[in-house]
Amino acid sequence: SAVISQKPSRDICQRGTSLTIQCQVDSQVTMMFWYRQQPGQSLTLIATANQGSEATYESGFVIDKFPISRPNLTFSTLTVSNMSPEDSSIYLCSVAAASDTDTQYFGPGTRLTVL
Amino acid sequence: ILNVEQSPQSLHVQEGDSTNFTCSFPSSNFYALHWYRWETAKSPEALFVMTLNGDEKKKGRISATLNTKEGYSYLYIKGSQPEDSATYLCALLNNAGNMLTFGGGTRLMVKP
Repeated sequence: SAVISQKPSRDICQRGTSLTIQCQVDSQVTMMFWYRQQPGQSLTLIATANQGSEATYESGFVIDKFPISRPNLTFSTLTVSNMSPEDSSIYLCSVAAASDTDTQYFGPGTRLTVL
Repeated sequence: ILNVEQSPQSLHVQEGDSTNFTCSFPSSNFYALHWYRWETAKSPEALFVMTLNGDEKKKGRISATLNTKEGYSYLYIKGSQPEDSATYLCALLNNAGNMLTFGGGTRLMVKP
């Protein structure tokens, strides 16, 4: 299994501002993902973070709103841009190792509240 | 697009009770079904990965079954303990192996 940390663990932000969330893994992994869970909703995949190239976004999510970086095999960032109260969610990073792509391991999440 | 439904949404049981909840899916066109356990302020923890019809997995007091023909998976907890209180998530991994689709979860609360 992989040990994943996220920063910050929580934040309260004003609308119109941006927040960058960091995800750090203790080992090199093949795949890194970003999910969010809005209040009362299911965990939903935002995008797959690709090392050395642009992230792959799921339907309903765009790069301008959720820019993602992945400079190496152990680190990724997700930025929530021009925030509105609808962006209040838990954001989670997950990873899958090359040796076990069937299982995804999750970080502890970032709880974001937008006022 | 994969669809996943979980029931019930929430469940209150007494310590020592056994319980079970359901994950249902209209299509079996997926690679694997995952169960996760998610405690508040912690990382979702992988419990089981199931791929074959008839699969049964067990970890301590928790077990799961998969029936792809009838479109459901059950998670069972025997002799519930307060530390079992968490949200239990079911997710389907697509055939490409790069996307998990989650159900809404079942929130379990075990009273001492």
